[in-house]
Amino acid sequence: SQKIEQNSEALNIQEGKTATLTCNYTNYSPAYLQWYRQDPGRGPVFLLLIRENEKEKRKERLKVTFDTTLKQSLFHITASQPADSATYLCALPNNDYKLSFGAGTTVTVRA
Amino acid sequence: SQTIHQWPATLVQPVGSPLSLECTVEGTSNPNLYWYRQAAGRGLQLLFYSVGIGQISSEVPQNLSASRPQDRQFILSSKKLLLSDSGFYLCAWGRITGVGEKLFFGSGTQLSVL
Repeated sequence: SQKIEQNSEALNIQEGKTATLTCNYTNYSPAYLQWYRQDPGRGPVFLLLIRENEKEKRKERLKVTFDTTLKQSLFHITASQPADSATYLCALPNNDYKLSFGAGTTVTVRA
Repeated sequence: SQTIHQWPATLVQPVGSPLSLECTVEGTSNPNLYWYRQAAGRGLQLLFYSVGIGQISSEVPQNLSASRPQDRQFILSSKKLLLSDSGFYLCAWGRITGVGEKLFFGSGTQLSVL
């Protein structure tokens, strides 16, 4: 069956450090992968999309990598700030192109 | 610009009562519309999606139903709620890009069935 796995443990980091989140998937052959941010009690907000032929994508302090051989995406928040504290979800299109989401990784950045 | 409205934000309902959650989108026409449910600590589960008025696809057989009476209106309903229907319900619309579809979510409804 198709599965999307993200870091099950919450991530607590010091302000200014880099947070690295992992998204692993099985039984998908995605043409792209997306990352969303979700704040408590709110809907997810789209952050980045990376295509299967792109190794890396950046947006401000965010960096995403996509390794289709390893079936893994890494999401980095550099120079982290307390405002980056949230849950981050990865999402992949399934066989009928509808997005399936991982359970998310909660990041807390300490000042 | 496009906006999505979802209400109510919080709802407490007794077991066996009916449910109606409404979602409307502004600023776009003929959007793909979605209902997801999120249980605590779990990923988003796709419940229904719609590509047009009256066109509803169900992903998971359950106690819920969806309707799309107008182009930018999507309604989630139940005739009789179960305890297991508790969760965070999210409506979303999809923007088709050259690569795939990006989703834009409403603010969600926290449903507690007691």
